[in-house]
Amino acid sequence: KQEVTQIPAALSVPEGENLVLNCSFTDSAIYNLQWFRQDPGKGLTSLLLIQSSQREQTSGRLNASLDKSSGRSTLYIAASQPGDSATYLCKTSYDKVIFGPGTSLSVIP
Amino acid sequence: EAGVAQSPRYKIIEKRQSVAFWCNPISGHATLYWYQQILGQGPKLLIQFQNNGVVDDSQLPKDRFSAERLKGVDSTLKIQPAKLEDSAVYLCASSLFAGPNTGELFFGEGSRLTVL
Repeated sequence: KQEVTQIPAALSVPEGENLVLNCSFTDSAIYNLQWFRQDPGKGLTSLLLIQSSQREQTSGRLNASLDKSSGRSTLYIAASQPGDSATYLCKTSYDKVIFGPGTSLSVIP
Repeated sequence: EAGVAQSPRYKIIEKRQSVAFWCNPISGHATLYWYQQILGQGPKLLIQFQNNGVVDDSQLPKDRFSAERLKGVDSTLKIQPAKLEDSAVYLCASSLFAGPNTGELFFGEGSRLTVL
């Protein structure tokens, strides 16, 4: 049974810092891995989708990597801004779609 | 391109009452999901439709929850009777593809339910 974890549960950084969010999964049999952000009281906004055959995807200041053999994905945020403050969730997809619990990010001005 | 639409955004009811949520997915999307998200947790799948057929409803409390997807387009999720522990945000999502690899998921804004 797939389990997805995200550590740390919460992270606070000063503005301008580069940071890495982690997502770990127990079963490497996945079709894809997707990263989302969720603002308080809002739905989930898709950030990046990595197919199982890909190693990374980039969008603006965001870069997501995927290492299926080690069961890990990282989301790299460059030059963080206060507007990046949100909860970041990852999800894997195979026979079921499984979400991690999320990392709550605060970027301090 | 219009996103996933959900209504109502907020609902407050007494326990044992009933409530219904509506979702209209992105046009042309084959797969539709309903998730329950309790504060501080990741979303939990309640039911997954592909076109108008149910793919997975293993975590749907069928004694009180029901869902349908009419003509393979929009969907309603009903709770009857509601319990205190049903207080949560109900998220609808859709994806373009059917089949085992449904691709990228897109979410609506969610419907927040408070049961008193």
